Amino acid sequence: DTGVSQNPRHKITKRGQNVTFRCDPISEHNRLYWYRQTLGQGPEFLTYFQNEAQLEKSRLLSDRFSAERPKGSFSTLEIQRTEQGDSAMYLCASSLAGSVSGYGYTFGSGTRLTVV
Amino acid sequence: DQQVKQNSPSLSVQEGRISILNCDYTNSMFDYFLWYKKYPAEGPTFLISISSIKDKNEDGRFTVFLNKSAKHLSLHIVPSQPGDSAVYFCAASGAGSARQLTFGSGTQLTVLP
Repeated sequence: DTGVSQNPRHKITKRGQNVTFRCDPISEHNRLYWYRQTLGQGPEFLTYFQNEAQLEKSRLLSDRFSAERPKGSFSTLEIQRTEQGDSAMYLCASSLAGSVSGYGYTFGSGTRLTVV
Repeated sequence: DQQVKQNSPSLSVQEGRISILNCDYTNSMFDYFLWYKKYPAEGPTFLISISSIKDKNEDGRFTVFLNKSAKHLSLHIVPSQPGDSAVYFCAASGAGSARQLTFGSGTQLTVLP
């Protein structure tokens, strides 16, 4: 297992366009999280899945954002009508519910989004 | 309203000396605390954690101390090595089912050879 994989690594898009990111978690992990990190800040929680169910969403996740995890494996995060304020690193993490190590997620390397 | 604060954006220490990174939190519902290390162009990597029922946890060169009454935790790295140079994030987790993490803004540690 190669860890948490995120694609693409970088995305430059024009304001108003839609973008979609993909996250492939560690295969046996049933929890999947999306975080966003802006310059000079720590990651901020966006949303969380347990298996295919989206169980929690942050107020940071406006209605332009949607996340899915259709078969409880990979997840996608879509941003519609992108704005310059959406420019950030989008991080995906996975963990195994119920294990002590689940408190320590495994993060992917992130997708760097630049909206011009 | 930052619930987890790292007030030092940067820290420089000499190789072989101790590095002490500090973190304060405000939410008394947090029951688990973690430190992550982040290199450029990579995701954060889990380093060490501590439960709120403990006041110290040690793993090799890394020790985390928790002072619940002061709502303060610190990470000690002894001895510091140049490869430790990275951004260190303090994070806290509450009792919610999501176990999402609330991160501080990070401290850039530079270990000078």
